[in-house]
Amino acid sequence: SQKIEQNSEALNIQEGKTATLTCNYTNYSPAYLQWYRQDPGRGPVFLLLIRENEKEKRKERLKVTFDTTLKQSLFHITASQPADSATYLCAPLRNTGFQKLVFGTGTRLLVSP
Amino acid sequence: EPEVTQTPSHQVTQMGQEVILRCVPISNHLYFYWYRQILGQKVEFLVSFYNNEISEKSEIFDDQFSVERPDGSNFTLKIRSTKLEDSAMYFCASSSGTASTGELFFGEGSRLTVL
Repeated sequence: SQKIEQNSEALNIQEGKTATLTCNYTNYSPAYLQWYRQDPGRGPVFLLLIRENEKEKRKERLKVTFDTTLKQSLFHITASQPADSATYLCAPLRNTGFQKLVFGTGTRLLVSP
Repeated sequence: EPEVTQTPSHQVTQMGQEVILRCVPISNHLYFYWYRQILGQKVEFLVSFYNNEISEKSEIFDDQFSVERPDGSNFTLKIRSTKLEDSAMYFCASSSGTASTGELFFGEGSRLTVL
């Protein structure tokens, strides 16, 4: 069955460092992958979408890579700030028109001052 | 900025009662979704809805659940006979395009507590 794996343990880093979060998927071949941020008690907020033909995508301090051979996406936050502390969710998707956005378990990031 | 709004923010109900959670998606969006999140667990897909019918649903979305777009603005999730395990945060989302091409906009959620 399809599986989306994200580190279940929280990632603790110091302010100013780069945070790297991993999303691994098995048993399917997504054409797209989305990343969301979720704060406690709030709904997820969209961050980035990357397509299978895009190896890398950037938005301000965020960078996402998508390696279809390794079946993995990496999510980087450079110059991290305490305000970046949140849970980050990945959602790989199949072809256009597919309506079932399924999230991974999410990785909690804690940035300490 | 347009946003998805959900009501109620918190509902407490007795086991076996019917519950309706309401959502007002962003006005020009065409695709609508319900998700749930049990405390401390992942955000789980329940159902997607397009063109007045369900387009995808998960194994969780059994006969106890139904969705409806009763008018041009509301999108509702009904749970016919609530169980203790239905206690969760329920999120509504909408998008202008398909999930694979664009972002989903989520509401702030409705917390359901079943006693």
